Amino acid sequence: EVQLVESGGGLVQPGGSLRLSCAASGFAISSKYMTWVRQAPGKGLEWVSILYAGGITYYADAVKGRFTISRDNSNNTLYLQMNSLRAGDTAVYYCARDFPPGGVYGMDVWGQGTTVTVSS
Amino acid sequence: NFMLTQPPSVSESPGKTVTISCTGSSGNIDSSYVQWYQQRPGSAPTTVIYGENQRPSGVPDRFSGSIDSSSNSASLTISGLKTEDEADYYCQSYDGTTVVFGGGTKLTVL
Repeated sequence: EVQLVESGGGLVQPGGSLRLSCAASGFAISSKYMTWVRQAPGKGLEWVSILYAGGITYYADAVKGRFTISRDNSNNTLYLQMNSLRAGDTAVYYCARDFPPGGVYGMDVWGQGTTVTVSS
Repeated sequence: NFMLTQPPSVSESPGKTVTISCTGSSGNIDSSYVQWYQQRPGSAPTTVIYGENQRPSGVPDRFSGSIDSSSNSASLTISGLKTEDEADYYCQSYDGTTVVFGGGTKLTVL
């Protein structure tokens, strides 16, 4: 069964760091485009970052320079390293897999999300 | 920056047909495919339309997507509305290498 399971969310103070994980099963993340999307409380979906199968990465302007997307192929896990966190980063963070070939047809598999709260 | 605009809410009765619009801020909305996601309260999004009006397995053919180049907009049409269709719906496309989501539309089936 194809599945994505996020973890690593929690409460962090402004300026702090957090690393989210997304464990994939049923497919190899190394061959797919993988995306992070977030949703602030009561708000809509916001794209965060994408990692192409070839290793190229792109980021939303709101997180550029603070967040880093990466993957561990041996553990089949996607990561999102979040530094210099702000209150505006408070959201549920979803990882998602792109429909092949990637970057064209959007996301076909979503995780259940992990909640990040940035507050003092 | 390219933006997608959706109406905040729509409502319709069971059995009827509803259309949700998604308007591009500039350029040609048909330069990239427009996807549609359904999100029920407390759940992750799921895809209902992707690519050129394609439906993932398990999505009924009551759901369909279309593009109107003249108005630079995409639409999601749901026919034979059921109470289970009540959810938030998001359109999504691309601006080069950037993923763009619409603001979402809350569909109420009453």
